[in-house]
Amino acid sequence: EAGVTQFPSHSVIEKGQTVTLRCDPISGHDNLYWYRRVMGKEIKFLLHFVKESKQDESGMPNNRFLAERTGGTYSTLKVQPAELEDSGVYFCASSQDQVHGGSPLHFGNGTRLTVT
Amino acid sequence: AQSVTQLDSQVPVFEEAPVELRCNYSSSVSVYLFWYVQYPNQGLQLLLKYLSGSTLVKGINGFEAEFNKSQTSFHLRKPSVHISDTAEYFCAGTGGGNKLTFGTGTQLKVEL
Repeated sequence: EAGVTQFPSHSVIEKGQTVTLRCDPISGHDNLYWYRRVMGKEIKFLLHFVKESKQDESGMPNNRFLAERTGGTYSTLKVQPAELEDSGVYFCASSQDQVHGGSPLHFGNGTRLTVT
Repeated sequence: AQSVTQLDSQVPVFEEAPVELRCNYSSSVSVYLFWYVQYPNQGLQLLLKYLSGSTLVKGINGFEAEFNKSQTSFHLRKPSVHISDTAEYFCAGTGGGNKLTFGTGTQLKVEL
């Protein structure tokens, strides 16, 4: 079984540019999550999809962040325009059932975003 | 407020010694508790989880954790560590929703 894959693994962009991160969940996992870890801090929840619908986007920092999951398969997270404070590691995770049912998350390797 | 606290940012230990990584949680994230491990250049991997039942939970790679309600703790232990256990360890919890609240992580460094 292929795991959660994320592209790119690293991205370095200038302030004001746009970046799009991609996540391919484990096949058959309806639940897809985005998390972010800013340097040295805790991993924080961004949002949760169930299939193509946004179940919870309470963790999205502001309207410069846009997440989509067309067709309920892969997901993209776009940051436009990027700011310095957006630097960090963006993790995608998927699960077959929802976390509140005790289902663990399967994480990708993350995308390290550096905004200069 | 929901919170998970990992008291130690770094824990150095010699190979074959026992180790305990501490985690305390607030009551609002105590429905389910997890420990994840991140090896260098990899994603987070589930070590173990506590959902209900026995308070002593056994996970992969010889790790175990004990849910202690009175002390609001969920410390991770291993009786004898190996060099390959060098990684960052994250405690996480949920209050019943779908968001995991993570601690800040503990870097375990196993030395020869």
